[in-house]
Amino acid sequence: AQSVTQLGSHVSVSEGALVLLRCNYSSSVPPYLFWYVQYPNQGLQLLLKYTSAATLVKGINGFEAEFKKSETSFHLTKPSAHMSDAAEYFCAVSDRGGADGLTFGKGTHLIIQP
Amino acid sequence: DAGVIQSPRHEVTEMGQEVTLRCKPISGHDYLFWYRQTMMRGLELLIYFNNNVPIDDSGMPEDRFSAKMPNASFSTLKIQPSEPRDSAVYFCASSARGVTEAFFGQGTRLTVV
Repeated sequence: AQSVTQLGSHVSVSEGALVLLRCNYSSSVPPYLFWYVQYPNQGLQLLLKYTSAATLVKGINGFEAEFKKSETSFHLTKPSAHMSDAAEYFCAVSDRGGADGLTFGKGTHLIIQP
Repeated sequence: DAGVIQSPRHEVTEMGQEVTLRCKPISGHDYLFWYRQTMMRGLELLIYFNNNVPIDDSGMPEDRFSAKMPNASFSTLKIQPSEPRDSAVYFCASSARGVTEAFFGQGTRLTVV
């Protein structure tokens, strides 16, 4: 069975500071890993995805994530936070990419302090 | 493409009433997923279809929930009878063979009073 753990239900950073959102997963097969962002009263938008190609994945809005098999981690980072980054972030895993349902973490609410 | 379209965006209904949520996937996508989002349980997969056929409905909470996909461009999630604990945001998503990610609709916020 798959599972995703996101450490920290709330993360607060200052504008311009590094953003680090943590995600650890468990999967019995090489996983597909995703980060989605949800703005208030909106659907989920894909930030980036890992599909067994490069371990360092770059996404939209300056975000990137690194797949570390030895640590079963897929942490999301951004060098400099903007106020517009304030949102809910979800890490998700699936066995077969788009041909499979996603197992989501509980989400991390990112707060940006001015 | 307009993306995944869900209707209605908001639904308020009384306990015991039937509720039908609707979804139009992205044209050409052959996988369709229904998810539920609550504060307590987060995002959960309820059911998914491939080529209009239900593949995994193990996430459907009770017999009060049913989902259909009569054709490639339309799906419904029905709750009958509805209960206050069904209050949640319901998302529909679609994807295609060879596509590694799912695309989500805006969701339907259901409130059962």
